[in-house]
This record gives sequence, C-alpha cells and structure tokens, in this order.
Amino acid sequence: GAVVSQHPSRVICKSGTSVKIECRSLDFQATTMFWYRQFPKQSLMLMATSNEGSKATYEQGVEKDKFLINHASLTLSTLTVASAHPEDSSFYICSARDPDRGNTEAFFGQGTRLTVV
Amino acid sequence: AQSVTQPDIHITVSEGASLELRCNYSYGATPYLFWYVQSPGQGLQLLLKYFSGDTLVQGIKGFEAEFKRSQSSFNLRKPSVHWSDAAEYFCAVGEGGTASKLTFGTGTRLQVTL
Repeated sequence: GAVVSQHPSRVICKSGTSVKIECRSLDFQATTMFWYRQFPKQSLMLMATSNEGSKATYEQGVEKDKFLINHASLTLSTLTVASAHPEDSSFYICSARDPDRGNTEAFFGQGTRLTVV
Repeated sequence: AQSVTQPDIHITVSEGASLELRCNYSYGATPYLFWYVQSPGQGLQLLLKYFSGDTLVQGIKGFEAEFKRSQSSFNLRKPSVHWSDAAEYFCAVGEGGTASKLTFGTGTRLQVTL
C-alpha cells in the first residue's frame, strides 16, 4: 500500500528556535499533501494544503509566517515551525493522496510530537 | 461547510461485548466518509470508508459501518471487542466529495475492560 513517512517522530526544542518536519511519500508521487495539527485530547485540524511547485494554501487562522510549508518535490513536503513557542507544542501529522489510486483515500504519516520548552 | 459530530467522548466496554460508535455528519451532497483509529502517540490508520454503493461497509479488524442518509449517520460497529481495540476513533468527511481534505470529528476514546 501507499506509505507516508514523517520525520522526526518526536522533537523537543527550545523556545525561539525553528523546527523542520518532513513528510515523504515513499512509494508514490504526491502532488498534494496536507498538514494537520492535533492538540492534546482533541481532534485533527487541517492547517494547510501543500502543493508541489507552488505556494501552500492555508486554512483560516493559520499563520503563514509561523508555519512555513515547502513542497519542493513530488515526494517531499516540509513544515517548518518558525520561532517556536510553547503554545506551538502539538502533534503534527501529514497526509498525501496517491493519484494512481484515485482520490479515494488519504494516507497518513506517523505524526510528529513537537514539544517546545 | 461540512462538519462531523461524534457525540460520545469516551466509551468503556467489556472485552467480548459489542461496540457502536456514533458519527453524524453535515454535508450538502453525497459524502465521502471515513473511520480512522489512532493509538496513543501514533498516526492514523484507516478502518473503512464509504463513497457509494452498499451502505454497509466492511473494514479491517472486524469493523463495519453503516451509512444512513436519512439520519446523516455513519456509525461504526464491531460485534466483539478485543482489548487491543482500545484507542481513539475518528470519523471524518472528505471535502468536495474527495478523500483529500478531511474534516474530523472530535473523536471517541474507547476503553476496553477485561
């Protein structure tokens, strides 16, 4: 099946530093990927749609300058949390659609637990 | 705008008992509906999905769900729960009749007692 891999699975950083999270489609090419955020004991909220070769589309209320998305290739999208602060601590998870499977399923990465201290 | 409601935040069942997790959706057209399971600190695993056709959908791990348009529901069921089923369960609807941008419910945490 289609596999999406996220790295790192867990990261702890100091307040004010930037953190990059990678989302890779391992066995398919993904022109579009999606980034979600999950607060503790809450649901997943879509942050942005990452489009290969073009700018990401952000959901309302998501700071573009805080959450930088780059989708430079058909297999890799990155989310950079710029100048992270404790309130950015969360579980971030990406998903991708495999065009060869039609638009019938989103494949999720394992997620990244970000803790800002 | 589409939305998903999971009325039960937390459910506890005994191992071997039957299970039903409720999901109600709001969507203008025929929805793409999904159930995902998330173990603590893990990503999401797709249990099953509905697009069209037979309204009773079979999934992995013995789960099934029934789409009822008249009730705007897509409840998840399992005849006999195993201790390993303890996890968080999310119902989701795909935007624009797709599986790409998903709107999730708030989740139901399932606890299984032995």
